[in-house]
Amino acid sequence: DADVTQTPRNRITKTGKRIMLECSQTKGHDRMYWYRQDPGLGLRLIYYSFDVKDINKGEISDGYSVSRQAQAKFSLSLESAIPNQTALYFCATSDLGKETQYFGPGTRLLVL
Amino acid sequence: KQEVTQIPAALSVPEGENLVLNCSFTDSAIYNLQWFRQDPGKGLTSLLLIQSSQREQTSGRLNASLDKSSGRSTLYIAASQPGDSATYLCAVNTGFQKLVFGTGTRLLVSP
Repeated sequence: DADVTQTPRNRITKTGKRIMLECSQTKGHDRMYWYRQDPGLGLRLIYYSFDVKDINKGEISDGYSVSRQAQAKFSLSLESAIPNQTALYFCATSDLGKETQYFGPGTRLLVL
Repeated sequence: KQEVTQIPAALSVPEGENLVLNCSFTDSAIYNLQWFRQDPGKGLTSLLLIQSSQREQTSGRLNASLDKSSGRSTLYIAASQPGDSATYLCAVNTGFQKLVFGTGTRLLVSP
């Protein structure tokens, strides 16, 4: 089984809908991250969490919220989806004191 | 604001060639630099991580160098294979594990 899983893998939604993207990890890492990837822009950090009680905004947090339900779970919500949130979303994890980040397979989101 | 640029955006080579991918960054105050590989439908896989105090790292046919003062890193792939076809991303760690990514180089190695 994959160490970092994301659900759903693909999602089509309409403008104004609330949606949640979920991330789970079995690596036992404390740190978790959400990124989005857009063509020509690379990956950009949305939110990150260093433990269950620690949530921090990244470069592009507007329009998004997150929840760290447990050490292993980190969810990203779009409260009212808009078309320019169409992108590929990645979750990642890293271990305390170690810099390598491990990525999930991504969720492809299309907002109509 | 840190900006990371990768050149070329795309590269096509025949199997067996040695090749170099380039990454440049605007702010030399980095903790480390990582090279990732991205395959379609899959997440990113970390290839090499170079600490700011290091000059290079090697893993198999891959060698990454870092010149922090000039804001440059290169990824050297020796004896390229079709299985090396992927998008290669570099990312700099600006502190607190916050990565700033380049836009990637899409590599195609033809048999």
